[in-house]
Amino acid sequence: AQKITQTQPGMFVQEKEAVTLDCTYDTSDQSYGLFWYKQPSSGEMIFLIYQGSYDEQNATEGRYSLNFQKARKSANLVISASQLGDSAMYFCALPAGGTSYGKLTFGQGTILTVHP
Amino acid sequence: KAGVTQTPRYLIKTRGQQVTLSCSPISGHRSVSWYQQTPGQGLQFLFEYFSETQRNKGNFPGRFSGRQFSNSRSEMNVSTLELGDSALYLCASSRGRSSYNEQFFGPGTRLTVL
Repeated sequence: AQKITQTQPGMFVQEKEAVTLDCTYDTSDQSYGLFWYKQPSSGEMIFLIYQGSYDEQNATEGRYSLNFQKARKSANLVISASQLGDSAMYFCALPAGGTSYGKLTFGQGTILTVHP
Repeated sequence: KAGVTQTPRYLIKTRGQQVTLSCSPISGHRSVSWYQQTPGQGLQFLFEYFSETQRNKGNFPGRFSGRQFSNSRSEMNVSTLELGDSALYLCASSRGRSSYNEQFFGPGTRLTVL
C-alpha cells in the first residue's frame, strides 16, 4: 500500500526567506509521480508542482522547487522568497498509479505561517 | 479557461436526509474524482468517473454514490446522512488518460450535518 508522510505539522518562516516542507513516501511502483498542493483557508486545493520518478531534473515552477531524492524516497518542497500569501496548508500527494485512476493518497499536511 | 466549479458551496442538513453535490470540470477534462476532507481522517478518496463510467472507488459505504453525465459534469449523492458525514467535499478534474495526470480541484462544498 502506498503511504505519504509529512512530519511537520506546522512551520514558520519570515517573509522573503526560503522554507522547506518535508515529504517522504512509500510505494512499490517503479514508475510514479508526486504532487504538491496548497490549500488556503478558503478550502480550494491549488496544484503547485509535479515530479515524475524518472524525471532527470528536479521540478521547478516559479518560486516552488522540489528536492527529489529517489533513493531516500523523499520529495521536499522548497518555497523561495516566502510571501504572506504563502500562508496555507501544504499537501504532498502520491497517485495510486496503474489502473487505479483518479486516486491520490495525501499526507497529513503542513501548515505554513509566513511572518512579516 | 474556467476552473472547476462546485455547487453549492455550503450546505446544512439534518441526520437522515440526503444530499446531492455537483461538480463541473475544466473544459476538455473527462475525469472527475471526489474526495472527503475531515480534520480527523484528512483527505480520503471517494470515487472517480471517466466518460460516465466509475473507474475507481474508495472505501466508503454504499450511502455514498455518484454519477457522471455526458458533458463530464458529475454529481455525488449521500443518503441517510450521519453526523460523521460533516466534511469538506472536494472534486477534482483531469484529462484522465493516465493516473499521473494533474488533478485540478474545485473550491469544495462544506457540508454540515446537524
